[in-house]
Amino acid sequence: EVQLVESGGGLVQPGRSLRLSCAASGFTFDDYAMHWVRQVPGKGLEWVSGISWNTGSTGYADFVKGRFTISRDNAKNSLYLQMNSLTADDTALYYCTKALGRWGGGYWYFDLWGRGTLVTVSS
Amino acid sequence: DIQMTQSPSSLSASVGDRVTITCRASQNINNYLNWYQQKPGKAPKLLIYAASSLQSGVPSRFSGSGSGTDFTLNISSLQPEDFATYYCQQSYSTPYSFGQGTKLEIK
Repeated sequence: EVQLVESGGGLVQPGRSLRLSCAASGFTFDDYAMHWVRQVPGKGLEWVSGISWNTGSTGYADFVKGRFTISRDNAKNSLYLQMNSLTADDTALYYCTKALGRWGGGYWYFDLWGRGTLVTVSS
Repeated sequence: DIQMTQSPSSLSASVGDRVTITCRASQNINNYLNWYQQKPGKAPKLLIYAASSLQSGVPSRFSGSGSGTDFTLNISSLQPEDFATYYCQQSYSTPYSFGQGTKLEIK
């Protein structure tokens, strides 16, 4: 079955760290760019970060630059998001998403989404 | 960074109505524009890519148009299952921003 399954969310205190994981299955993981998109409950979608098929290119939203690091392990069909210095504004449902294509270079879109993992930052 | 602005933020309509949602980019994105539909408690679903290409399996009552900075999503005859929130997203350059969403509600 083609799917993405996120894990690693939970309740964390402000200033602490959390690492999200995404397990991919049912497709050739190392052929595609992968991204994280978040959504505050009841609010809109925010792109967080993306990584190319071979880790050669990455991108980050301004609000996470210097705090979050995206990575992937193609041997394990897994995507990660290391989140440091968390604040209450980072409280959201974090979706792992697959992009069409390897990274840029043409028309692409998010064509597969996980169900999300909830991160709550609170003391 | 490219800002994406959708209008309206919310919209009330009836089954059978024709609806138009607009999305404006803060700079030229050619036609690197995608539209998604999201229902409560669910992940977004791709409707339209490259501004006007219908994703496989999406009903033909959905259509997209535009290029440059101004884009529209049209739903020709609303069905009950179309009441949801719609987002545009630019795939032109990082950061790959979304519009703030348009919530389509039943009148």
